[in-house]
Amino acid sequence: GENVEQHPSTLSVQEGDSAVIKCTYSDSASNYFPWYKQELGKRPQLIIDIRSNVGEKKDQRIAVTLNKTAKHFSLHITETQPEDSAVYFCAASPAGNTPLVFGKGTRLSVIA
Amino acid sequence: EAGVAQSPRYKIIEKRQSVAFWCNPISGHATLYWYQQILGQGPKLLIQFQNNGVVDDSQLPKDRFSAERLKGVDSTLKIQPAKLEDSAVYLCASSREGLTGGTFGSGTRLTVV
Repeated sequence: GENVEQHPSTLSVQEGDSAVIKCTYSDSASNYFPWYKQELGKRPQLIIDIRSNVGEKKDQRIAVTLNKTAKHFSLHITETQPEDSAVYFCAASPAGNTPLVFGKGTRLSVIA
Repeated sequence: EAGVAQSPRYKIIEKRQSVAFWCNPISGHATLYWYQQILGQGPKLLIQFQNNGVVDDSQLPKDRFSAERLKGVDSTLKIQPAKLEDSAVYLCASSREGLTGGTFGSGTRLTVV
């Protein structure tokens, strides 16, 4: 089955700097890669996703890149703000209506 | 649209007791997932329903966990008997047929003492 590795487990950045979180996956059949943000005590919320037919997707300060050959994808947050502080999870899923396999999460702290 | 509703929000039980969680998905969402999220980890799938049928329950500890979605809408997840290691947040998510991922509910935080 699919296995998703996520790095780093913790990340601290100064406000205004960029943050990058990286994930690798094992199943070459996976073609859907979402990123979730989870604030303390709250539900995971989808912030951006990418499908395997594109290499990059951007939404304001957030971007995701995908390298299918290397089986890795990354989340990029630019101009970080204190409210970006949360745990971020990457996930992967094969085609169709199948469940997600999550990474272990990255705790991002943005220091004002 | 209304979100995924879950109850109760919190539950504390003693080991070997039973507990049940309830989920009401977003209207029109045929797919429903139950995930277990242990502190410090990502959500792990327990079971996936498509309408009222089970699609994937390979990671559900069937000796103690059970789940049903009788009318293809609401779902319940039960643990009987509970163990200390079942302490976690139980998240329900739903999605439209053919789409992956889904929208999560707020979860039920279970503490087994």
